[in-house]
Amino acid sequence: GESVGLHLPTLSVQEGDNSIINCAYSNSASDYFIWYKQESGKGPQFIIDIRSNMDKRQGQRVTVLLNKTVKHLSLQIAATQPGDSAVYFCAEGLNYGQNFVFGPGTRLSVLP
Amino acid sequence: DAGVIQSPRHEVTEMGQEVTLRCKPISGHNSLFWYRQTMMRGLELLIYFNNNVPIDDSGMPEDRFSAKMPNASFSTLKIQPSEPRDSAVYFCASSFSGTGDTEAFFGQGTRLTVV
Repeated sequence: GESVGLHLPTLSVQEGDNSIINCAYSNSASDYFIWYKQESGKGPQFIIDIRSNMDKRQGQRVTVLLNKTVKHLSLQIAATQPGDSAVYFCAEGLNYGQNFVFGPGTRLSVLP
Repeated sequence: DAGVIQSPRHEVTEMGQEVTLRCKPISGHNSLFWYRQTMMRGLELLIYFNNNVPIDDSGMPEDRFSAKMPNASFSTLKIQPSEPRDSAVYFCASSFSGTGDTEAFFGQGTRLTVV
C-alpha cells in the first residue's frame, strides 16, 4: 500500500465550480481504472470506470480522462455540490480488474 | 439486493484474542475481496477469491491472518491472535468478473480496535 498518513491531499472548491482530481498510477500494464468516492463512515462507492483502450469517458456530471503516456488519470466533477464532499480514490487493475490497487486518495471539500 | 453485508460493524477486542469478520457478497457475484484501510497505508488488498477459491493472498500481512470462503454467499477473515497494530477498518467487496464491467461493490466495513 501507499503511505497516506496525515498528508492526504485536499482539494477545496466553491460550490458550483468544477473540480479536477488527479491520480498517478503505477503500473503501465494496468488496463482498467476506476474512480471511487468514500464518504465518512462508509465503504468506497463506484463512480466511473475506463478501460485502457479509451482516453475519455463521461458520466452524469463526471468525466474521467486517461493519459497512458504519463500514467495519469483525472476525475472532473461539473458543478460541484456539497454532497460531493468525500475522499476520492483511483484504482488500477489488470485483466478486468481482478486485483485492484488503490491510490492514496484525495479529500474534496466543497465550500458554501 | 441489500449490497455487500459485513458484520460486525464495530469490534473492540483485547490483544491476543481471536477476531472473526464476516461478509455476505452480492448474490450472483463470483469474486470477493478483503481490504484493510488505515490512515497510514490507505486501502490495501489482503486477499481475493474467485468462484470461492483464493487467487491471491499476497497481501495478507502474516500467518495470524486467514480467510475462508466456504460457499458463494459467505466469507470470513480471521485474526488470531490479534494485535493493536491490526486496528483498522476492514472492507469486503464483491464483483462479477466476466468480460464486461467488473467494478467492485464495497460493504460498510468493520471497524476493528485491538486494545
